Amino acid sequence: DADVTQTPRNRITKTGKRIMLECSQTKGHDRMYWYRQDPGLGLRLIYYSFDVKDINKGEISDGYSVSRQAQAKFSLSLESAIPNQTALYFCATSPTGGVTDTQYFGPGTRLTVL
Amino acid sequence: AQKITQTQPGMFVQEKEAVTLDCTYDTSDQSYGLFWYKQPSSGEMIFLIYQGSYDEQNATEGRYSLNFQKARKSANLVISASQLGDSAMYFCAMRVYNTDKLIFGTGTRLQVFP
Repeated sequence: DADVTQTPRNRITKTGKRIMLECSQTKGHDRMYWYRQDPGLGLRLIYYSFDVKDINKGEISDGYSVSRQAQAKFSLSLESAIPNQTALYFCATSPTGGVTDTQYFGPGTRLTVL
Repeated sequence: AQKITQTQPGMFVQEKEAVTLDCTYDTSDQSYGLFWYKQPSSGEMIFLIYQGSYDEQNATEGRYSLNFQKARKSANLVISASQLGDSAMYFCAMRVYNTDKLIFGTGTRLQVFP
């Protein structure tokens, strides 16, 4: 089984709808992250969490919210989806915040907002 | 400002040949980590190799090696004996001390032909 899973893998929704993307991990890592990937722009950080009680904004948090329900679960919500939120979304985990710590990514969720 | 630059949008290499993917970085921090990820057409982000700023030896992982030139601020990925399955997007990323995000470059698309 994969260490980092994301659901759904693909989602098509309409403008104005609320949508939640979910991430679960079995790696036992404290830190979890949400990124989005747009063509030609690489990955950009939306939110990250050090633990259940510690959530921080990344560089592009506007229009998104998150919830860390447990050490293993980190959800990303789009309260009112808009077309420019169409992107590939990745969840990632790492054991600590040290420079040596690799971030391990889930398989991604491809979101299309019509 | 911290930045990763990948100047090669696309590269071609013949099977069994070696290929170098370029990455330069910009940071004023002394402590940082450099990572390479592979993204095949299926979309997942696969960790390949890591180099720490204080590491004296270049990192190697199987057919992957990282040509780290600190003075030039470059961290090029070398893939030896290319295989058809190496065809993918490759991203260089950096993590600096006391921050919790990975800074990604825009990626290089590698195509391996028979």
